[in-house]
Amino acid sequence: DIEMTQSPDSLAVSLGERATIKCKSSQSVLYNPNNQNYLAWYQQKPGQPPKLLIYWSSVRESGVPDRFSGSGSGSDFTLTISSLQAEDVAVYYCQQYYSTPFTFGPGTKVDIK
Amino acid sequence: QVQLHESGPGLVKPSETLSLTCTVSGGSVSSSSYYWSWIRQPPGKGLEWIGYIYYSGSTNYNPSLNSRITISLDTSKNHFSLKLSSVTAADTAVYYCVRLPHNNNYMGVWGKGTTVTVSS
Repeated sequence: DIEMTQSPDSLAVSLGERATIKCKSSQSVLYNPNNQNYLAWYQQKPGQPPKLLIYWSSVRESGVPDRFSGSGSGSDFTLTISSLQAEDVAVYYCQQYYSTPFTFGPGTKVDIK
Repeated sequence: QVQLHESGPGLVKPSETLSLTCTVSGGSVSSSSYYWSWIRQPPGKGLEWIGYIYYSGSTNYNPSLNSRITISLDTSKNHFSLKLSSVTAADTAVYYCVRLPHNNNYMGVWGKGTTVTVSS
């Protein structure tokens, strides 16, 4: 199984400031034949299902605000919220879909400072 | 726009079988474009992929649960189902059904989830 880790466990950021979340996979999720990273990011608010934000490590899902961006390749990835809004308070998960069993990171909780 | 809706008992006794159904609207489980999957989330914890089924009936299960899982498809009712046998308190969770694109297995569409508690 590919193990996913995230850091930090939680962070508090002032409104309008940048939030950065790191995700690391225990092995590369870059598929060389198509040069794609099989890595997605999700946002989960209390009492709601996760919502897909980013796939292919950097492609924003339709309707997701452009303050959310994903970067990285291989085993190291980053989700950045460029200007934190109140509605961004949530837990954020990374997930690899390179191989089954698909696995998720433990989550990073984002709050307002 | 496709929507997924989970249903089933909210309370299951230990050692019994948990059975859930995911009804799909606005789309077809017979589509070759998607996998139909189950994910669960224990209270206050992270997400665990349970398995998926394809329109052909082929399945892929998480080895950690493999011996206890059955995922099936009913095209006439446009739904798919999960059975998890020999449940314990550790199976208490919110269970989500999810649609995954066949060639790009990120989890694009989620149901709202249903809470299942295992308790006598």
